[in-house]
This record gives sequence, C-alpha cells and structure tokens, in this order.
Amino acid sequence: AQKITQTQPGMFVQEKEAVTLDCTYDTSDPSYGLFWYKQPSSGEMIFLIYQGSYDQQNATEGRYSLNFQKARKSANLVISASQLGDSAMYFCAMRERINTGTASKLTFGTGTRLQVTL
Amino acid sequence: EADIYQTPRYLVIGTGKKITLECSQTMGHDKMYWYQQDPGMELHLIHYSYGVNSTEKGDLSSESTVSRIRTEHFPLTLESARPSHTSQYLCASSHRVGATDTQYFGPGTRLTVL
Repeated sequence: AQKITQTQPGMFVQEKEAVTLDCTYDTSDPSYGLFWYKQPSSGEMIFLIYQGSYDQQNATEGRYSLNFQKARKSANLVISASQLGDSAMYFCAMRERINTGTASKLTFGTGTRLQVTL
Repeated sequence: EADIYQTPRYLVIGTGKKITLECSQTMGHDKMYWYQQDPGMELHLIHYSYGVNSTEKGDLSSESTVSRIRTEHFPLTLESARPSHTSQYLCASSHRVGATDTQYFGPGTRLTVL
C-alpha cells in the first residue's frame, strides 16, 4: 500500500516570498506519478504540476516547481513569488495503478493550508 | 485543461431521500472517478470507471452507486440519504497521454443531509 505524508498542516508566507510545501511518499511500484493540486475555499481541485518517477528533471510550471528527490522519496512543491491568490489548501497525490487495468487512482495526502500575508 | 461539470453545486436534503449527483465531461476522457472529501481532509476514491459500461468500487466503502452509459456522463446515486453521507463529492476524469494520466476535477457537490 502506498502512502502520502504532508507534515505541515498550515504554513504562512509573505507576499512575493518563496515557500516550500513538503511531501513524502512510500510505494513499492517503480512506476508512479506525483501530483500537486490546489484547493481554494470554493472547493474545486486545480491541477498544478506533475512529476513522473522516471523523469530526469524536476518539473516546472510557471511559478510552481517540484523538488523531486527520488532516493529520499520526497516531492516538495516550491511556489516562487507568492501572491495573495495562492492562499488555499495544497494536496500532494500519487498515482497508483489499479489492478491490471488501464485506470489509475490517486492517493492524497492530508493537505497543507497556505496563507499568504501582506 | 478538462471541461468537467458537476450539478448541483450545493444540495441540502432530508434523510431518506433519493439523490443523484451529476457529472459530465466534454473532453472525451475514457476514465472517470468519484472522490469523497470531508471538510479539510484528504480525498478518498469511492468509484471509478475505465469506460462505458465499466464501473468499479474504490478504496472507501460507499453506499452510493454509479453508472456509465455514455462516455461523457458518470452520475452518482444515493438511494436513501443519511446524515453520515454529508460530505463533498468530487468527480474527475482522465485520459492517458504518454506516461501521464492527469486527473482533472469538477467543481464538486457539497451535500448536506439533515
């Protein structure tokens, strides 16, 4: 069974500063994918960034980057130049294959609530 | 980005009522999912579908049922709602592109059963 751990229930960051949200994972599957989603107070889940287990380089998407350390089984999200609109819950998730089918499921961590302050 | 829609966004209903939560996507994605999320907590998979006429139960046991008669439509039904069903229900869809199978979510339905 795989597991996602987010040890920071809440984080504060000042506007324009960078912040790192931690995520560690545990899996025995050599092929997996790691995702970060943002959930504002309105409730929708917004896909931010993806890292495949075989990807050689860390993923980047605009102000988001994923610090992937495979040996440590960590996939931390880095948000640069924080904005007030970044205040939300952030979930780390890992893709796991389901049985022998082509579908996969996401296992989510418990989330980190980020608050951006002036 | 995926276009995925859920209705209603909010639902308050009495115990014992039958309800159907709608989920539709316009991207032609073959796979669809239902997750349940209590406030401030992680998401748990309750149902998924590989394609038309395929449905499977997820990790979290749920009294709800689903159907997949059309590719774009994946409704969730509760025959008799109870207060323990109060939660947020999120629908997602995905389609594998290379090594990536990103799930895109709808806006969710917040269900309250009195």
